Order: sequence, then C-alpha cells, then structure tokens
Amino acid sequence: NAGVTQTPKFQVLKTGQSMTLQCAQDMNHNSMYWYRQDPGMGLRLIYYSASEGTTDKGEVPNGYNVSRLNKREFSLRLESAAPSQTSVYFCASSVELGHRTTYEQYFGPGTRLTVT
Amino acid sequence: QKEVEQNSGPLSVPEGAIASLNCTYSDRVSQSFFWYRQYSGKSPELIMSIYSNGDKEDGRFTAQLNKASQYVSLLIRDSQPSDSATYLCAVQTNMDTGRRALTFGSGTRLQVQP
Repeated sequence: NAGVTQTPKFQVLKTGQSMTLQCAQDMNHNSMYWYRQDPGMGLRLIYYSASEGTTDKGEVPNGYNVSRLNKREFSLRLESAAPSQTSVYFCASSVELGHRTTYEQYFGPGTRLTVT
Repeated sequence: QKEVEQNSGPLSVPEGAIASLNCTYSDRVSQSFFWYRQYSGKSPELIMSIYSNGDKEDGRFTAQLNKASQYVSLLIRDSQPSDSATYLCAVQTNMDTGRRALTFGSGTRLQVQP
C-alpha cells in the first residue's frame, strides 16, 4: 500500500497561473481533505469530501476549487495563483471508526508551492 | 471559530526525561482527540488518539484527556533525540455542514538534548 500520494512534490508558479494538485489514496477511505500549512499557523482545512460526489468548504476555501474524481482521487485547483497561496499543501484521507463516527486522518507527503 | 491552543515552544528536555505537551480546545462537544508528530519538512504522522477521559498508554507515549477542563496532553517518557519534532494536537469538531473535521493547533516544537 502506498497510502496517500501527492503530485507534484514541488512547484513554482507565477502570479495568475493555474495548476492542479493531485492526490490519491489506496486505503479505500471514504473521506478526503486538503490542508495548507503556513509557518506558525498550523494546518488549515481548505476543502473536504466526505464521500465520492460530495465536497464541502473548510476554513480557507477562497481561491481554490476541488474535484472528487472517484473514491481514490481528490484534486485541488488554483485557478489564478497569488503570492498569498505560497504554502505547503497536504492531502489526507480518513476512515470512519465504527460506532464512534470518528475519523483518524492519514496524510500524504505534501506539495511545496511557491507563487512569485 | 472553534480553537485548539498549544504553546509553540520550543520545549527543551534532556535525553531520558519526560516531555509534557499540552493542548486546550474550545468546542465542548468534541469527542475525539489526536496527537500528530511532524518532523521538519515532512508530513504529520498520527501517533495517538484518545476518546475517553483518563489516560491512554502506547509504548513511551501517554495521552491524557480531561473533557471537563477541555484539556488534552501528551507525555513522552524516556525522551530520545529522535523525538525532536513538532507535535500537533487535533480535535474533531462539527462543521457547519454537519460533517466532522479536524481542527489543528499550531503545534509545539520539542527539542530533546543528548
């Protein structure tokens, strides 16, 4: 099992360019998430998908769009990149733990994005 | 805004000592709590989860939960230099959509001195 994989690992964009960050998981998890991590800010939720075909906004969704392509894949798109979107982006997936309806999340390796 | 607070540190302890990491949260209805370890330049790794008041032990790690005080802690016994990392506290909260998600603290940086 590869777990959660992300591509690319590094990316440099110019302001106004667009790109899509790819995420895939092979753990048969229903839920998937996109976070950004900035120094001193911790992890902030951008978007999440509780199941195939559903997506919901998190804490910081502005400037991003997502697509839950199928159960395995969840992509994050920046339509017009801005320097404020310079960050490390993590994808995660989670499994519902039985009657607790609680979610242990597992993270991908991250994408380091710089917007100049 | 549901908040999770951690002291940013760094918390410096000598090798072999007990490291104590603390976290407070604001959402009284939270039911699930997690500790993640993050090495510099790497992704967060789940090390402990706790759901009930009291202590939960796993090897050198003990998680402690006090829901009345809205307080979660992580103890690391016999600290090793390899434990030097940032430790993130995460609390499961209910989003406006009714779905559940994790809210993370900003992390405590632990340094274990050889």
